[in-house]
Amino acid sequence: DIQMTQSPSSLSASVGDRVTITCRASQGISNYLAWYQQKPGKVPKLLIYAASTLQSGVPSRFSGSGSGTDFTLTISSLQPEDVATYYCQKYYSAPLTFGGGTKVEIK
Amino acid sequence: QVQLVQSGAEVEKPGASVKVSCKASGYTFTGYYMHWVRQAPGQGLEWMGWIKPNSGDTNYAQKFQGRVTLTRDTSIRTAYMELSSLISDDTAIYYCARGEETEYFYHWGQGTLVTVSS
Repeated sequence: DIQMTQSPSSLSASVGDRVTITCRASQGISNYLAWYQQKPGKVPKLLIYAASTLQSGVPSRFSGSGSGTDFTLTISSLQPEDVATYYCQKYYSAPLTFGGGTKVEIK
Repeated sequence: QVQLVQSGAEVEKPGASVKVSCKASGYTFTGYYMHWVRQAPGQGLEWMGWIKPNSGDTNYAQKFQGRVTLTRDTSIRTAYMELSSLISDDTAIYYCARGEETEYFYHWGQGTLVTVSS
């Protein structure tokens, strides 16, 4: 099975900072990679699919890149409402696997 | 609009089974795979499996093989997840999620808390 490894597991940054989260697949997954945001007590929210396609309604400060095994989620200017845990997910073929999550906090 | 409405919280004893439902509305139920994902307290997301509503075909994560059963009733547009031989580590929020195109998840149920406790 393909494993998804996210890093870092947590980070603290200041409002306005550029934040980067990485996700690595143990085998190539083309661009079948999604990113989700989950705030405490809430249902996960889709941010990005196909590695770089922004879901409608998601702020443009979020962006995704990568293909194959290495992927990145970037928040160009961190806002207080971005405090959450972020998960990558490999999809298309089973098993569909999530990364371990990255908790983003404000410094 | 698409809605996935799950059944309410459950408390079960170790060794028992639990069955969670997910009622879909606002779209053609048989047109999209339904997935189940769980999240233990303070932990990450864990994919459990999918069911193809038009055929009943299923695919389970190896971890849950033999313990999880996904079914559906197309007449009432409802998917079910049954987990047997419960242990305390099965305490979690269980989500249903509709698979989009290539099976990423935009629409999620509200989650069902299952607590396993003696």
